[in-house]
Amino acid sequence: DIQMTQSPSPLSASVGDRVTITCRANLRISNYLNWYQQKPGKAPELLIYAASSLQSGVPSRFSGSGSGTDFTLTISRLQPEDFATYYCQQSYMVPHTFGQGTKLEIK
Amino acid sequence: QVQLQESGPGLVKPSETLSLTCTVSGSSVSGYYWSWIRQAPGKGLEWIVYKYHTGTTNYNPSLKSRVTVSVDTSKNQFSLMLSFVTAADTAVYYCARGKSNGFGLALEHWGQGSLVTVSS
Repeated sequence: DIQMTQSPSPLSASVGDRVTITCRANLRISNYLNWYQQKPGKAPELLIYAASSLQSGVPSRFSGSGSGTDFTLTISRLQPEDFATYYCQQSYMVPHTFGQGTKLEIK
Repeated sequence: QVQLQESGPGLVKPSETLSLTCTVSGSSVSGYYWSWIRQAPGKGLEWIVYKYHTGTTNYNPSLKSRVTVSVDTSKNQFSLMLSFVTAADTAVYYCARGKSNGFGLALEHWGQGSLVTVSS
């Protein structure tokens, strides 16, 4: 299985901050990388697919980058509703493994 | 608006079979990939399986021997069966519709999740 490792976890930040979450694969996965946001008691929501494509309806303050083994999710200016847990997922090879999650907390 | 709704028993006895159904509205099940994902209490996400409506199916190898999935186009439903369950299978089970984008599958629509507890 491809192992996905996220950092940091957790992450403390303030409203208005710019934050970056990193996801590293232990195998090259090209751009086969998705990012999801999950709030407590809710299903995950797709933010970014194919490493850098913004899902329809997702605010433009979210962006993704990277290719190969190293990927980042950046939130340019944190809003109160952005405090949640973020997961990366590779879809390069079955099983489509997720990272362990990064909980973004209010500082 | 695409909506997915999981349904099924919330309590299953050890060694029995967990059965869940995902009812889809606002979208046909035809022409899409459908997935099941689960999340144990307080834990991360675990991908279980995806199936294209015409038959292509890929499983998590760790669960493959116990998983059966099906797509019912007449009812617009996607179903999961997981046999010989243990307490380790206690989780919230999500169904999701996958979007094929040239770089694999992204799970763009999710159900709200169904908590299944395995206990005698």
